Amino acid sequence: EAGVAQSPRYKIIEKRQSVAFWCNPISGHATLYWYQQILGQGPKLLIQFQNNGVVDDSQLPKDRFSAERLKGVDSTLKIQPAKLEDSAVYLCASSLDGASGYNEQFFGPGTRLTVL
Amino acid sequence: AQKVTQAQTEISVVEKEDVTLDCVYETRDTTYYLFWYKQPPSGELVFLIRRNSFDEQNEISGRYSWNFQKSTSSFNFTITASQVVDSAVYFCALTSPANQAGTALIFGKGTTLSVSS
Repeated sequence: EAGVAQSPRYKIIEKRQSVAFWCNPISGHATLYWYQQILGQGPKLLIQFQNNGVVDDSQLPKDRFSAERLKGVDSTLKIQPAKLEDSAVYLCASSLDGASGYNEQFFGPGTRLTVL
Repeated sequence: AQKVTQAQTEISVVEKEDVTLDCVYETRDTTYYLFWYKQPPSGELVFLIRRNSFDEQNEISGRYSWNFQKSTSSFNFTITASQVVDSAVYFCALTSPANQAGTALIFGKGTTLSVSS
């Protein structure tokens, strides 16, 4: 079974530039999460999708971050414009059905973003 | 508010030593799920175990064992006879279905385990 795919694996940009990350979850997984992991810390949720609807985006800095999950499969996370403090690893995770929290989340390899 | 605390930032052991990673959690929900994940140097988080709040049985899987105690809000992880391949960052995490905002995992800050030969 293929795991969660993410691209690119690494990205370096200048502050104020824009960047986009792509995630392809495990086939059949209804729930998709984007987490931000700053060096030395645990991952923190940015946004949770159930199929193509948003469940929780309370911690997403909406003035600069946006995300979509068209057709309830792939997802894209965008940052525009980027700030220095956005330097982090962006992790995508999926679960079979995240409605209850019971199902484990499977994580992709992450995208390491460096903002100069 | 829900919270997970992993007080041990870094632990260093020599191969074959036993090591316990501590995890303390806070939640007001009666139904919740606790998880342990491993993050090796490659960066990908790997699921290790899930425990629900109604099941306090300890679990053993090979060299790994977990001790869940609701009385102390702890969910500790022990590696017996550690090996170099166990070197990684280990995260404890919490979620609950009662959280109206969703079921994202609340992670601790992680414990970095270094096993030397």
